[in-house]
Amino acid sequence: DAGVIQSPRHEVTEMGQEVTLRCKPISGHDYLFWYRQTMMRGLELLIYFNNNVPIDDSGMPEDRFSAKMPNASFSTLKIQPSEPRDSAVYFCASSPNRALVTEAFFGQGTRLTVV
Amino acid sequence: GEDVEQSLFLSVREGDSSVINCTYTDSSSTYLYWYKQEPGAGLQLLTYIFSNMDMKQDQRLTVLLNKKDKHLSLRIADTQTGDSAIYFCAEGLNNAGNMLTFGGGTRLMVKP
Repeated sequence: DAGVIQSPRHEVTEMGQEVTLRCKPISGHDYLFWYRQTMMRGLELLIYFNNNVPIDDSGMPEDRFSAKMPNASFSTLKIQPSEPRDSAVYFCASSPNRALVTEAFFGQGTRLTVV
Repeated sequence: GEDVEQSLFLSVREGDSSVINCTYTDSSSTYLYWYKQEPGAGLQLLTYIFSNMDMKQDQRLTVLLNKKDKHLSLRIADTQTGDSAIYFCAEGLNNAGNMLTFGGGTRLMVKP
């Protein structure tokens, strides 16, 4: 397995534009996590899914952020409209049943820059 | 809420030992983790320790836990240039991925 795959690796967009980040979890993993990493706030959990169902989205900063998981092999994190303060590295991670941290794998991240 | 603190930067010479420190506030933390993030890469779980342990050793890595002081350290013996990365400390109430609190990361620079 190629691991958790995120795309794009880098994204530069203008303020106000819609941004969609993509993640392909490891096959067979039932849990998928979206994290955001910034200098100011470190690494924060935004939302996580179990069997494609969002379980906890309390970390999503505001309504401009939305995440979906239409099937077991694909998830998106969308920001609309984007703002400069959304600039960060967004990580996706997946883990098998029970969402054990010690069994989770991270993707390489998407570096988002909003100008 | 929970808080995890780390120093921002550490510089060592190749071959020396590195010690990266972390403090946390949640006394109910059960699991404590160390992650490594290399440039352009995701986070890689290096090692973890249960709160009922004082020490865990894994090859060149030694984790020390002082639960009374809520202090965690990661020692890397014989540090190599390939160890240059950002190291994140994290704590969790249980081993669930939704319960992690990360520190801000310590950037380790290894000079040849």
